Amino acid sequence: KQEVTQIPAALSVPEGENLVLNCSFTDSAIYNLQWFRQDPGKGLTSLLLIQSSQREQTSGRLNASLDKSSGRSTLYIAASQPGDSATYLCAVRNLIQGAQKLVFGQGTRLTINP
Amino acid sequence: DTGVSQNPRHKITKRGQNVTFRCDPISEHNRLYWYRQTLGQGPEFLTYFQNEAQLEKSRLLSDRFSAERPKGSFSTLEIQRTEQGDSAMYLCASSLRGGYGYTFGSGTRLTVV
Repeated sequence: KQEVTQIPAALSVPEGENLVLNCSFTDSAIYNLQWFRQDPGKGLTSLLLIQSSQREQTSGRLNASLDKSSGRSTLYIAASQPGDSATYLCAVRNLIQGAQKLVFGQGTRLTINP
Repeated sequence: DTGVSQNPRHKITKRGQNVTFRCDPISEHNRLYWYRQTLGQGPEFLTYFQNEAQLEKSRLLSDRFSAERPKGSFSTLEIQRTEQGDSAMYLCASSLRGGYGYTFGSGTRLTVV
């Protein structure tokens, strides 16, 4: 059974710092991995999607890497801003025929202090 | 197209009542998913449709839960005889086939009192 873990559960940093959020998964046979952002009481906004054959994806100040063999992904946020404060979730889709569901971690609650 | 739309945004109901939520996916997406998220947790998979066919259901989806997607367009999730443990955010997502990512709606927050 696939399990996804995100560390740390919460992180508070001053504005302007670069930071890394971690995601690990127990079964390396994945189809893809997706990072989401969730603001309090809101739905999920997709940030980056990495296919299993890719090593990283970039969008603006965000960079996500994937090391499938070790079961790890990181989300790097450069020059953090107060508007980046949110919960960040990673989710994997397993490489099982017919598997469609995403398995989520519990998220990292990020606070950027002005 | 403005993305995945969910209604209502909030629902407060008394224990034992039935509730129904609606999800309108992105029009060209043939796959639709329902997830449930409780406070402080990541979303958990409930069920998945490809067009109008419901292809997978989680064990979380008890007999009190039913989902439909008539004509492969919008979907409804009904909870009968609600219990306090049903209080959660119910999220809908849609996607194209294959390796495309998921697009989530804003969710429906259910509070059972």
